[in-house]
Amino acid sequence: GAVVSQHPSRVICKSGTSVKIECRSLDFQATTMFWYRQFPKKSLMLMATSNEGSKATYEQGVEKDKFLINHASLTLSTLTVTSAHPEDSSFYICSASEGAIWNTEAFFGQGTRLTVV
Amino acid sequence: EDKVVQSPLSLVVHEGDTVTLNCSYEVTNFRSLLWYKQEKKAPTFLFMLTSSGIEKKSGRLSSILDKKELFSILNITATQTGDSAVYLCAVRVAGGTSYGKLTFGQGTILTVHP
Repeated sequence: GAVVSQHPSRVICKSGTSVKIECRSLDFQATTMFWYRQFPKKSLMLMATSNEGSKATYEQGVEKDKFLINHASLTLSTLTVTSAHPEDSSFYICSASEGAIWNTEAFFGQGTRLTVV
Repeated sequence: EDKVVQSPLSLVVHEGDTVTLNCSYEVTNFRSLLWYKQEKKAPTFLFMLTSSGIEKKSGRLSSILDKKELFSILNITATQTGDSAVYLCAVRVAGGTSYGKLTFGQGTILTVHP
C-alpha cells in the first residue's frame, strides 16, 4: 500500500518553543492530508484538513494560530505547534489518501509523540 | 454532529476464541466505513466498506456493513495473542468543511491471553 512518512517520531521541547512535524506521502501525491491528535487511551480526533495550495480547514475548537498547517506541495504537509505548553503534549498523526478520496483508504504516518516540559 | 460509537470498549479473551466488535454510526452524507488496527503507533488499515451486506474477508478477519441499521461488525476468529490491539472504526462523510474527513469511534481494546 501507499506509504506516509511522519517525522519526527518523538520530540521533547521546552514550554514556549515551537515544534514542526512533517508528513510526507512517499510514493503518491496527496492533494488532501489530515492531522489528528490522540490522547492516551482515546481515539483519534481530527484537528484539521490540509489542502495543497490553500488554507487548512480547522475543526471546531482547534486554534488555527496555535496549530499552523502548511501544505506547500502534493507530497508534504507540516504541522507547527507554536508556543507549546505542557497541555499540548500528545500523539499527533497525519493521514493521506491516494487518488479519489472517496474510494480509497486513508494511510497513516507513524505518528509523533510530543512532550512539552 | 457526526457520531461513531464502538462497543465493547474493551474485551479480554483467550487464544482460539472468536470475537465480534461493533460499530454504530450517526452521520450525514455517509460515504464509507473503515476499520483499522492500532498497536503502538499508527493505525493500519483492515477494511473499507461501502455497500450493505457484502462481507469483506482477510484471513481470520471479516467485516460487514448494514447501512439500513447504521452499523458494522468486525469478526476475528481463532484469535491469537498478536491480535491484541485497539480496533478503530471510522466513517468517512462527504461535504462539509472537512471534505472526506474520517470520524473515529472510541476504539475497542482487545486483549488476547495465551
